[in-house]
Amino acid sequence: AQSVTQPDIHITVSEGASLELRCNYSYGATPYLFWYVQSPGQGLQLLLKYFSGDTLVQGIKGFEAEFKRSQSSFNLRKPSVHWSDAAEYFCAVVIDYKLSFGAGTTVTVRA
Amino acid sequence: DVKVTQSSRYLVKRTGEKVFLECVQDMDHENMFWYRQDPGLGLRLIYFSYDVKMKEKGDIPEGYSVSREKKERFSLILESASTNQTSMYLCASTHGDTRTGELFFGEGSRLTVL
Repeated sequence: AQSVTQPDIHITVSEGASLELRCNYSYGATPYLFWYVQSPGQGLQLLLKYFSGDTLVQGIKGFEAEFKRSQSSFNLRKPSVHWSDAAEYFCAVVIDYKLSFGAGTTVTVRA
Repeated sequence: DVKVTQSSRYLVKRTGEKVFLECVQDMDHENMFWYRQDPGLGLRLIYFSYDVKMKEKGDIPEGYSVSREKKERFSLILESASTNQTSMYLCASTHGDTRTGELFFGEGSRLTVL
C-alpha cells in the first residue's frame, strides 16, 4: 500500500508566483517526514524534514512545509518561485527505519 | 561536503548479462542504500546496508544482489539483466539514525537493458 501520496504529477507555475506541492502520508502516529528535490541530471537533495515540535518547518532555498496531523498532510510551499526551482520534488516518510518515497511532482516554471 | 559517487552514469547492457553498479561515499557513513527510480513510481528501495558485510532486503530485491566489503563501497549486482530492469539507479548514504539522518545521493546510473 502506498504510504506517501503526491496527488499532483505535474505543476506549471509562473516565475514569481507561489507554489504549493501536496503530500499525504498513511503511516505512523508520529511520522518522520521529508521533502527532497531532484534537479535535472542530479541526485536528490534534502529540502527539509519534520520529526516533532513546531509544525511549520523551514528549509533551504526558501521552502517551507507544514505538518497537519488531522489531514495526514505535509505540504511544501514557496512564496515566490524562481526559474531554478524547476525540478522534481519527492515527499518521503520513514517506515521501519527506511525512507519510503512518493511518486514525485514535476514542477515547470514558465517565464 | 559529502560526496557519493556512482562510477557509471550511463550503461547499455544486453539481456542475460551480469551488471555491476558501483557506489562510493567519502564520509565514513555506515548506512548505504540502493534505490530504483521509475517515472510515476518514485524511488523504490532495493537493498540497504548498515555496516560492512551486512545487507537487508528492501521493497523490491528480486533480481538483484549487493556487496559491501568495505565501508565506503556498496555495489549493486544484476546477476542476469532483464529488460524490466531498465531504470535509473540511485545510491545514497547516511550516518547514524536512519529515521532522522539526511540521505546523500549520488547522481544516478541510468541502465538500459536491450
